[in-house]
Order: sequence, then C-alpha cells, then structure tokens
Amino acid sequence: DGGITQSPKYLFRKEGQNVTLSCEQNLNHDAMYWYRQDPGQGLRLIYYSQIVNDFQKGDIAEGYSVSREKKESFPLTVTSAQKNPTAFYLCASNFGQGGGVGTEAFFGQGTRLTVV
Amino acid sequence: RKEVEQDPGPFNVPEGATVAFNCTYSNSASQSFFWYRQDCRKEPKLLMSVYSSGNEDGRFTAQLNRASQYISLLIRDSKLSDSATYLCVVNQNRDDKIIFGKGTRLHILP
Repeated sequence: DGGITQSPKYLFRKEGQNVTLSCEQNLNHDAMYWYRQDPGQGLRLIYYSQIVNDFQKGDIAEGYSVSREKKESFPLTVTSAQKNPTAFYLCASNFGQGGGVGTEAFFGQGTRLTVV
Repeated sequence: RKEVEQDPGPFNVPEGATVAFNCTYSNSASQSFFWYRQDCRKEPKLLMSVYSSGNEDGRFTAQLNRASQYISLLIRDSKLSDSATYLCVVNQNRDDKIIFGKGTRLHILP
C-alpha cells in the first residue's frame, strides 16, 4: 500500500542530544514537508523540499536540519540548538508543482518528541 | 497580516445544526485550497479540496472567494462525529509552500 511513514511514533531525548526523525514515502511525491505542532496550536512549517538535493527553510527552521538525498526520504534532525523541542512533529508529501494545481498533501502519523 | 487566518473557536453547536467557518489568506497568487480535519492527537486528513466554482460532498460545502481572499466550509446536519479541529490550508503553488491555518475547533453537542 502506498503511504507516508514516520518513525518512531514516540521519542524521548535527553537535553543536549541530537535526534533524527524518519519520514519515508512511496507515493512518488516530489515535495516533502516537516511541521511542528504544539498542544492546542496549529502547524508551523520547519523545512520543505521540492526536489531531491534541495530544501528550503520554513518559518521555524532554527535548531533543525534536514537532508533530501533520496526522493522517498526526508529525515529531520532536531539539534541541541533547538531550545524547546518537545512537540508533535508531522511529515507530509505531495506532487508539488509537477502535479498541477490542486495537489493535496498526505501526512504521516507523526512523532511525539519529549525532552527529558 | 498572517498568511492564513482562522477563528480558533471553539464553536459549540447542537447536533443537527448547520455551522460555517471562514478562513482568510494573504497571498493573492495562491492557487490551491483545502480543508483538513484533525482529530485529537492524530495527523490531519484531507476533508475536501476547494475549487473556484465551489464544491459539495454530502453534508459539506466548500467555497472560494478570490476577490475577498477567503474560503469557507459549511457543515449541514452536524453529527457528533464531526467534532474535530478543521484546518484551512493554502498551497502557494509558486514555491510549493503549504501554509496551514491554526485551525477551528468544533464541538457538536448532543
């Protein structure tokens, strides 16, 4: 079945440690996105990538890094520079510009990161 | 002005009533619009796309007003299962940036 998979579902990190969240899709989507959601809040864009080997900062990129070495994968690293990393992280993908107008995004089930 | 704005609610509506949400967007060049539904502690899921001519899917109707830069969602004959957060989504196709509103919380009351 085609879809977008995030792992792990729950993640605990000690302060000062970097941690990488996985996002894989087999939908042949060109564009991939990372969002952060805090309790009772909306989704804020961290990074997005329109094509392999290219990505752009979103609204809250500080303290995060990404890579896009493969079309299917868009891992997010939460670095120790991120001062308030506890949140719900959502990965999404869509066909991007190549899919034409009206291409909706599909989401993974999310990763809940807690700093302990 | 924020890129996408929604009334956060909550909207507390009796079962069977009709409820409507609006969402405004700032980038007049935006081309794709969607409504997503998000249940508590879950990922957002597409409810419906919003087309220029307006579109209807059962009890749900979405409309786009480009001149005033807003989209709307109408839910008729609301059900208890409609309780969720509804997210307005705008795709600025120019750069593939997908922007979410903060969502409107809806509680359907028995």
